[in-house]
Amino acid sequence: GQSLEQPSEVTAVEGAIVQINCTYQTSGFYGLSWYQQHDGGAPTFLSYNALDGLEETGRFSSFLSRSDSYGYLLLQELQMKDSASYFCAVSRSGSARQLTFGSGTQLTVLP
Amino acid sequence: KAGVTQTPRYLIKTRGQQVTLSCSPISGHRSVSWYQQTPGQGLQFLFEYFSETQRNKGNFPGRFSGRQFSNSRSEMNVSTLELGDSALYLCASSPRTSGSSDTQYFGPGTRLTVL
Repeated sequence: GQSLEQPSEVTAVEGAIVQINCTYQTSGFYGLSWYQQHDGGAPTFLSYNALDGLEETGRFSSFLSRSDSYGYLLLQELQMKDSASYFCAVSRSGSARQLTFGSGTQLTVLP
Repeated sequence: KAGVTQTPRYLIKTRGQQVTLSCSPISGHRSVSWYQQTPGQGLQFLFEYFSETQRNKGNFPGRFSGRQFSNSRSEMNVSTLELGDSALYLCASSPRTSGSSDTQYFGPGTRLTVL
């Protein structure tokens, strides 16, 4: 089977940096994605890692360690609008579009 | 480009009925995936369609089915509705290029309530 673990809640203040961790167990691992979802909204893609290392996209960065089955999403210069749920999701070889999602991390950004 | 559209946005049904949800992918996208989102189970993969063929299927009962048309639009059907089918049903499209890192673009979802 597959499983992902991520913290249920994280709180930080505006301007700060926050890291959301994700550990996974899956056979045939191919890649790790991150999605953001505001209340009542659609999940939107943030970042993807298939290889070890850091991917940077503006204020968001994502890291993957395949040997540790671990990744994280780093959000810098937090803004109020970053308050949302963040999901990590794994894809497997042969079924790249079949994402298995973690339970989500609710990020609250305080003024 | 217009995003993924889903209709209807909200739906109320009673137990035992059936429902059909529709999804129009982003123009040029050929893969459509469906997900169910509930507070208890989170986001769960239902199935993926590409070129009118189901490519992958999640762990859902046979009451959940889908299809894809030649214009890539997709429908999913749930028969004999149960209370536990109340959920947000999300459709996602991707270009399905040769690589396996296709980003999935989600629609706003259909909120189904089963009474």
